[in-house]
Amino acid sequence: DTEVTQTPKHLVMGMTNKKSLKCEQHMGHRAMYWYKQKAKKPPELMFVYSYEKLSINESVPSRFSPECPNSSLLNLHLHALQPEDSALYLCASSQERDRGGYTFGSGTRLTVV
Amino acid sequence: RKEVEQDPGPFNVPEGATVAFNCTYSNSASQSFFWYRQDCRKEPKLLMSVYSSGNEDGRFTAQLNRASQYISLLIRDSKLSDSATYLCVVSTNDYKLSFGAGTTVTVRA
Repeated sequence: DTEVTQTPKHLVMGMTNKKSLKCEQHMGHRAMYWYKQKAKKPPELMFVYSYEKLSINESVPSRFSPECPNSSLLNLHLHALQPEDSALYLCASSQERDRGGYTFGSGTRLTVV
Repeated sequence: RKEVEQDPGPFNVPEGATVAFNCTYSNSASQSFFWYRQDCRKEPKLLMSVYSSGNEDGRFTAQLNRASQYISLLIRDSKLSDSATYLCVVSTNDYKLSFGAGTTVTVRA
């Protein structure tokens, strides 16, 4: 199993809604990441979890709240988002530190209306 | 200065041609280097890691020049399926990846 699975694939939410994005991997990777990607731009790092602990928060607004319930799961809770938060949200995982490449999920395409 | 810079292209090449492009990075402490490809509206997928001695994977050859702080990717015998955006990715030893903005390659029949 060499996949990172993200759900949902598409999400449309209003600015007052609360929703969650989910990510799962069973490769035994100990680092998991959330990235945000706007059209024609490279992915931008949001959060890094290492051994289930938040190790990097790239000054992300508090309306995005990550959670790592266990070593295989990573959630991103969304609340009171703005239209400019519409983007592709990518989850990724990797082995310890930067050994080898990173495996990305197929992403959740989020539209905030 | 951006951490990772790439020629955005696009590189438009006929099938069977060879295409090559570079990426420069600013942090001399960078430890790991990768090429990812990303198709339109899809996630990035690891194409290959880049090693100091250079490495080859089929039609793809990657080179690393630490002294000049650049990496390169060469695609031989281009296929239509090679059309994609190629992302140069560099990491230091702190879990953070720095992405280039991508080089777009279009292979035409």
